[in-house]
Amino acid sequence: KQEVTQIPAALSVPEGENLVLNCSFTDSAIYNLQWFRQDPGKGLTSLLLIQSSQREQTSGRLNASLDKSSGRSTLYIAASQPGDSATYLCAVIGRTSGTYKYIFGTGTRLKVLA
Amino acid sequence: DTGVSQDPRHKITKRGQNVTFRCDPISEHNRLYWYRQTLGQGPEFLTYFQNEAQLEKSRLLSDRFSAERPKGSFSTLEIQRTEQGDSAMYLCASSLGGQGSEKLFFGSGTQLSVL
Repeated sequence: KQEVTQIPAALSVPEGENLVLNCSFTDSAIYNLQWFRQDPGKGLTSLLLIQSSQREQTSGRLNASLDKSSGRSTLYIAASQPGDSATYLCAVIGRTSGTYKYIFGTGTRLKVLA
Repeated sequence: DTGVSQDPRHKITKRGQNVTFRCDPISEHNRLYWYRQTLGQGPEFLTYFQNEAQLEKSRLLSDRFSAERPKGSFSTLEIQRTEQGDSAMYLCASSLGGQGSEKLFFGSGTQLSVL
């Protein structure tokens, strides 16, 4: 059974700092991994999708890497801003019983202080 | 294209009542997912459709829960005889299905409170 863990559970940093969020998963047979952002009381917004054949993806100040063999992904946020404050979730999709579903971690709650 | 929309945004009900939520996916997306999220937790998978076919249901989905996607367009999630433990955010997501490589798009969710 796939399990996804995110460390740390919460993080508070001063504005301008570079930071790394971690995601680990127990079953390396995944098709892809997605990082999402969630603001309080809202739905999830996709940030980056890494397919299993890829090692990393970049979008603006965000960079996500994937090491399938070790079951790990990191989300790097450069030059953090107060507007980055949110919960960041990672999710993996792998074939289970002939269907496809995403399994989510519990998220990292990020607070960037002005 | 306005993204995935869910209705209502909030629902307050008394224990024992039935509730129904609606999700309108992005129009060309063939896959539709329902997730449930409680405070401080990640979304938990409930069920998933490919077109009109319901392909998987989680064991979390008791017989009080039923989901439909007639004609492969919008979907409804009904909870019968609600319990306080059903209080959660119910999230709908859609994707354009391939071989698991698709990007997932979420709606804003329906927050259910059972009193």
